[in-house]
Amino acid sequence: NAGVTQTPKFRVLKTGQSMTLLCAQDMNHEYMYWYRQDPGMGLRLIHYSVGEGTTAKGEVPDGYNVSRLKKQNFLLGLESAAPSQTSVYFCASSYSGGRVSAFFGQGTRLTVV
Amino acid sequence: AQSVTQPDIHITVSEGASLELRCNYSYGATPYLFWYVQSPGQGLQLLLKYFSGDTLVQGIKGFEAEFKRSQSSFNLRKPSVHWSDAAEYFCAVGDASYGKLTFGQGTILTVHP
Repeated sequence: NAGVTQTPKFRVLKTGQSMTLLCAQDMNHEYMYWYRQDPGMGLRLIHYSVGEGTTAKGEVPDGYNVSRLKKQNFLLGLESAAPSQTSVYFCASSYSGGRVSAFFGQGTRLTVV
Repeated sequence: AQSVTQPDIHITVSEGASLELRCNYSYGATPYLFWYVQSPGQGLQLLLKYFSGDTLVQGIKGFEAEFKRSQSSFNLRKPSVHWSDAAEYFCAVGDASYGKLTFGQGTILTVHP
C-alpha cells in the first residue's frame, strides 16, 4: 500500500550535473504531476501527464524534462543543474482531473551547490 | 489565470483556541478548492475539498471550511486547536480539466501550550 513513492529522498548536486527523479504510483492513476516547493511560494507545477506517453508543461518548466513511458512512473530530469533548482520536489497522482483530489509523495530535497 | 492568496504567512494560537486560516482565490468558473496540510519534512495531506453543493465542508482532524462565492474565499476553521495541528497549511484551486493545482503561499501555524 505504498501510494506515491519518490526516489531519492535527498540529493546534493554540483552545478552542471544531471540527475533524474523517479516517481512511482501503484494506484493505477492516469494523471501525474511534478511540483516544486520553495519557501514563501507554495508549490508550483513543473510538468504534468494525463496518461502514458503524454507530457505537458506547467507553470515553471524551464530547465526540466519529463517522461512517462510507463503508466505507473513519471520521471523528472535535470540536464544541467543550477543553484536556482535547489528546492523540494513533490510528485502527485490522481485518477482523473477536476473533481478528483491528488495524492502526494513524500518529496525529494535537492540541493545544487 | 487562476490564483490563490493566503494573506497570513504565520499564525500563532494557544492550544484550545479557535482557528481561522484565510484563503482567497481567483478563478473564472466554479472553482474546485482544496486545503492541504504539511507537517515538517512530510508530504501534503488532504484536509478537505469543495466541488459543489453545500458551501460548508467538513474534513479530517476536525477541520471545516466555508466557500463564499461573493467573497472569493475558502477559509479553514477549527473550533479548538491541538498541539499536533502545528504545521503548514496550503489552500489550492484545481483546474477542471487536468487537475492541475495552483497553491497559495502557505500559512505556518504555531500552537502554544
